[in-house]
Amino acid sequence: AQKVTQAQTEISVVEKEDVTLDCVYETRDTTYYLFWYKQPPSGELVFLIRRNSFDEQNEISGRYSWNFQKSTSSFNFTITASQVVDSAVYFCALSENTNAGKSTFGDGTTLTVKP
Amino acid sequence: GAVVSQHPSRVICKSGTSVKIECRSLDFQATTMFWYRQFPKQSLMLMATSNEGSKATYEQGVEKDKFLINHASLTLSTLTVTSAHPEDSSFYICSARWGDYDNEQFFGPGTRLTVL
Repeated sequence: AQKVTQAQTEISVVEKEDVTLDCVYETRDTTYYLFWYKQPPSGELVFLIRRNSFDEQNEISGRYSWNFQKSTSSFNFTITASQVVDSAVYFCALSENTNAGKSTFGDGTTLTVKP
Repeated sequence: GAVVSQHPSRVICKSGTSVKIECRSLDFQATTMFWYRQFPKQSLMLMATSNEGSKATYEQGVEKDKFLINHASLTLSTLTVTSAHPEDSSFYICSARWGDYDNEQFFGPGTRLTVL
């Protein structure tokens, strides 16, 4: 069965600090997809990134970067020079290829960025 | 990216009434739609998977007679909460997927249901 663990329940940083959100996953599939979503107070889920299991290249998008390591089953998310607008709940999710695309979400990490 | 809409965005109803939530894929044909539920300060939990033209597959512990799902077309799935009770108050989110092999999912904005 697939499982996603986000050990950090809440993180609080001061603006301009860098912050890393951890995500560890479990799956028996060799083909799977990992996602990060942002959920601001409005509730709408905002898609951030999708990565398939065959692509271990790290990705950078502006202030966001992701580090995917299959050896440790981790898919960590770093925000550089955090801003108050980054305050939200961030979810890591896993979707197995053989599981009809169903996504399993971690419990989420609440990030608070203080001015 | 692809757009998925939900209607209504917010609904308040009395206990015992039924509520229908619509999920539409606006610019693509969704072969599969998923319904999730999120309680306050909790994660999203998958309720059911629906494929166009067939019966939905419910996750363990989800009452299929209480949460009726209809996926009548490739762009519309509906979730009906029958005889709603206060404990059904939650944030309901749908997602839609196109294709059989690509697991890209697009999420709707969610519907907040409050049962009084």
